[in-house]
Formats: sequence, C-alpha cells, structure tokens
Amino acid sequence: AQKVTQAQTEISVVEKEDVTLDCVYETRDTTYYLFWYKQPPSGELVFLIRRNSFDEQNEISGRYSWNFQKSTSSFNFTITASQVVDSAVYFCALSERNSGNTPLVFGKGTRLSVIA
Amino acid sequence: DGGITQSPKYLFRKEGQNVTLSCEQNLNHDAMYWYRQDPGQGLRLIYYSQIVNDFQKGDIAEGYSVSREKKESFPLTVTSAQKNPTAFYLCASSTGTPSYEQYFGPGTRLTVT
Repeated sequence: AQKVTQAQTEISVVEKEDVTLDCVYETRDTTYYLFWYKQPPSGELVFLIRRNSFDEQNEISGRYSWNFQKSTSSFNFTITASQVVDSAVYFCALSERNSGNTPLVFGKGTRLSVIA
Repeated sequence: DGGITQSPKYLFRKEGQNVTLSCEQNLNHDAMYWYRQDPGQGLRLIYYSQIVNDFQKGDIAEGYSVSREKKESFPLTVTSAQKNPTAFYLCASSTGTPSYEQYFGPGTRLTVT
C-alpha cells in the first residue's frame, strides 16, 4: 500500500534562513507521481510541483527546489532565503499509475513558521 | 476566472441534521474529489468521481453520500450517521486521470453542535 511520511510536524525558522521539508514515501509501483502542495492560512491547497518516477532530475523554481532520490524514496523540498509569506502547511503526496490510477495519498503535513 | 467554488465558507448545524456541502468547478475537469481535514491528520479521501453518474468510496466514506449528475458539480452530504462531522472539507478536481495533480477549492468549515 502507498504511504507518505512527513516526519517534521512543525518547523520554525528566522526569515532569510534556508529550510528543507522532508518527505519519504512507500510504494510497490514502478510508475508513480510525487507532489508538493502549500496550504496557507486561508485553507486552500496550492499545487506546487508534480514529479514522475522516471525523472530524478532536481528541479528549481525561484527560491524553491526539490530533490528526488529513488534510492532513499525521498522527495525533499527546500526553500532558500525563506520569507514570512512562506509560512504555511506543506503537504507531500503520492499517486500510483500501475495500480489503477489511484487518487493522491497525502502525508500529514509540515507546518512552517517563518519569523521576521 | 476558472476555478473551484465551495460554499459557504463556514457552516453550522445541529447534531442529527443532514447537511449538504456544494462544490462547483468550471475547469472542465472530469474528476472530482472530497477530502476531510482534521488538525494533525492531513487530508483523507471521502469520495471521488471520475465521470458523471459514477463515483467511488475513499478511505472514510461512512456517514457521507455524494452525487454527480453534472460534470461541474459534486455535492457532498454529511448525514446524521457520521459520528464526528466537525471538520474542514476540501473539494478538488483534476483532469480525467486521478493520479494527476488536483486543484482545490477554498474549503468549507463545518461545525456540528
């Protein structure tokens, strides 16, 4: 069965620090997708990135970067030079393709607080 | 503007009453989903629908019901059989493949007393 673990429940950093959010997943499928979402205080989840299991290239988008390592089943998310607006709950999610296109399974989230 | 709307933002009900949460999308997405979020629990899937007039149970379907009569709409009814209905409910949609990214509405916070 698929599972996503976000071991960090809450993280606090001071503005301009770098921060990495960890995500470890379990799946028996060889074809799967990994996602990150941001949930600001307003409550709506915002899609950040999708990565498929065949693409292990790291991705950078502005201050955001993602490190996908199949060898350790991890898909970590780094925010560089954090800002107060980055304060939110961040969710990692997984879906499997070979097992019938299953909907996303979410981790329990990591609450990030960036202090000015 | 394309997106997903959920109304109302806050909903209050007395115990024993059924309540229906609305979800409408104009993204022309085939698939729609309902999640429940409790503090510290992440998102748990209640029901999802890949096409009109068809839907599947998620992990916590007991005490909930849905319908999908139109592509744009996927209302969720929280019945009196749901033991602990107070929660934040999120609706999402995606293109026809459930394993692809989903786009979320603003959510409805339901309080039952």
